[in-house]
Amino acid sequence: SQTIHQWPATLVQPVGSPLSLECTVEGTSNPNLYWYRQAAGRGLQLLFYSVGIGQISSEVPQNLSASRPQDRQFILSSKKLLLSDSGFYLCAWGPGFQETQYFGPGTRLLVL
Amino acid sequence: KQEVTQIPAALSVPEGENLVLNCSFTDSAIYNLQWFRQDPGKGLTSLLLIQSSQREQTSGRLNASLDKSSGRSTLYIAASQPGDSATYLCAVRPATGRRALTFGSGTRLQVQP
Repeated sequence: SQTIHQWPATLVQPVGSPLSLECTVEGTSNPNLYWYRQAAGRGLQLLFYSVGIGQISSEVPQNLSASRPQDRQFILSSKKLLLSDSGFYLCAWGPGFQETQYFGPGTRLLVL
Repeated sequence: KQEVTQIPAALSVPEGENLVLNCSFTDSAIYNLQWFRQDPGKGLTSLLLIQSSQREQTSGRLNASLDKSSGRSTLYIAASQPGDSATYLCAVRPATGRRALTFGSGTRLQVQP
């Protein structure tokens, strides 16, 4: 069966510090991978998605970036965090665009 | 641009009640619609997926309907239980383009024992 992992679960970082959130998927190959952010009281916002190694599509302009160094690894990064980057970050995978998406447990980021 | 609205934003009901959660979307050109459940501080769990050609899907005490032409979907929960307490999110996938999901902001449900 497939599983999706995210770490860390919780992170508190000062403004201006770098960020690296990791997501890995097990039990499948060549999945579509997604990064979402959920701000308090708001819906999920798609940040990035990837259909293959090294292929990243950005949905919104921001100071975050994503990379996919391996087939089942998706990384969300920032060189300098902003207060507005605080939120709940969810990684998801899907076998294709037509099917449902399966979500990881999330990372709660607080930027102070 | 697709917009998804969920009403009500929050709902509190006594155990045993049947309830309906509403979702509306502005662009009827969708590929499918999904309902997810999110427990506090957790990821999302897919509940039901309705393809654009379907009218409804059922899973246990859950029934989701889709009226694509009017841009509406409802999630019906029968005989609610305290364990149903969670936030329920509706998401639509467009029929063309990159087909990224657009989510509503959710309905926070509290079922009182």
